[in-house]
Amino acid sequence: ELKVEQNPLFLSMQEGKNYTIYCNYSTTSDRLYWYRQDPGKSLESLFVLLSNGAVKQEGRLMASLDTKARLSTLHITAAVHDLSATYFCAVDLNNNDMRFGAGTRLTVKP
Amino acid sequence: DSGVTQTPKHLITATGQRVTLRCSPRSGDLSVYWYQQSLDQGLQFLIQYYNGEERAKGNILERFSAQQFPDLHSELNLSSLELGDSALYFCASSASGGRHTQYFGPGTRLTVL
Repeated sequence: ELKVEQNPLFLSMQEGKNYTIYCNYSTTSDRLYWYRQDPGKSLESLFVLLSNGAVKQEGRLMASLDTKARLSTLHITAAVHDLSATYFCAVDLNNNDMRFGAGTRLTVKP
Repeated sequence: DSGVTQTPKHLITATGQRVTLRCSPRSGDLSVYWYQQSLDQGLQFLIQYYNGEERAKGNILERFSAQQFPDLHSELNLSSLELGDSALYFCASSASGGRHTQYFGPGTRLTVL
């Protein structure tokens, strides 16, 4: 059975600190997405990682993909309060079926 | 604003009833996806349509059905509703039936009493 596991599920950070969210998946896939969801809101696409070794950066967020290890990371640099949200990774199963992780609820405290 | 619209925003109904959720994709997108988000099940893929045809099926119950119309809008029909069907239902669209970024609508919050 396909598993997409994110950890941690809850993350409380101080502003200015760095941290990494991990996304492990159990099947072969060469495409992975990261989404952000604010409370009560929809999902916003952050990154699409298309191949092994792909790295994308936007502001204080950087995502990477290692298809051999079946691992993606979302690294947060010098966190600010505006980054507080829930972050989801999603694995493309090559058949238009996308499986989401459980999400990591990030809280950035002053 | 993703460009995907969903109606209604909120829906409150009783067990045993039937409801229809509507989604209009972004202009030019041919694919529509439906997702259910609940506290206990997380975000689950239900079904995908591409240019009017069913393309992929996920964890969709037999009581649920969907269709995509010639103007590309889609409807998700939920029948014989149970308390456990209370959830946020998202529609997403993408440019093609292939593997492109999906853009999510604002969602419909369904409450079954």
